Amino acid sequence: DTGVSQNPRHKITKRGQNVTFRCDPISEHNRLYWYRQTLGQGPEFLTYFQNEAQLEKSRLLSDRFSAERPKGSFSTLEIQRTEQGDSAMYLCASSHPGSAGSPLHFGNGTRLTVT
Amino acid sequence: AQSVAQPEDQVNVAEGNPLTVKCTYSVSGNPYLFWYVQYPNRGLQFLLKYITGDNLVKGSYGFEAEFNKSQTSFHLKKPSALVSDSALYFCAVRASPLKAAGNKLTFGGGTRVLVKP
Repeated sequence: DTGVSQNPRHKITKRGQNVTFRCDPISEHNRLYWYRQTLGQGPEFLTYFQNEAQLEKSRLLSDRFSAERPKGSFSTLEIQRTEQGDSAMYLCASSHPGSAGSPLHFGNGTRLTVT
Repeated sequence: AQSVAQPEDQVNVAEGNPLTVKCTYSVSGNPYLFWYVQYPNRGLQFLLKYITGDNLVKGSYGFEAEFNKSQTSFHLKKPSALVSDSALYFCAVRASPLKAAGNKLTFGGGTRVLVKP
């Protein structure tokens, strides 16, 4: 168990630019989640994959956001035309397929700063 | 819709004293409840969970939590706090899989715990 890996750890970009983050889940986990966390707040759900299928998307995920998990392994989250309000920590998590009671295992996140 | 409330933004406790972090939840059907801890610039680490069975669940690092269905609460406790327990704590809920609520975990706003020596 090498844990959930997220890259990059930090990303600074100018408003209007596109950014892409990567998440590598724990290898035997088929469920993968993206959350967004702003300073002093709890994580907010963005989207969820089971294998390669994106099964749920939050209304927070505007048209500028897109997530993929093409082979059911790693996932990418892309934000197009970034805005200052997109500045946040983006957290990826994965869970074992055993049951809905399986806890989420989180990566250390990607901190995005939009200037 | 499911939701979690953590009424205290911060809890201060002296080292060696008992620690309690409060959590109440709202969900349709039976809840799955979780506690996570977050250290600065890190992701969330799983502490413990309640799925079914005994209302008192024990987790990592000496933490435990008590599920109270009538009060819809799941308070986190530790009998004797350590300075190293200082961190941000999050309570989370997920509806049972029989309900059409998806698989998402909904988090509370977090409680900062400060344990003073």
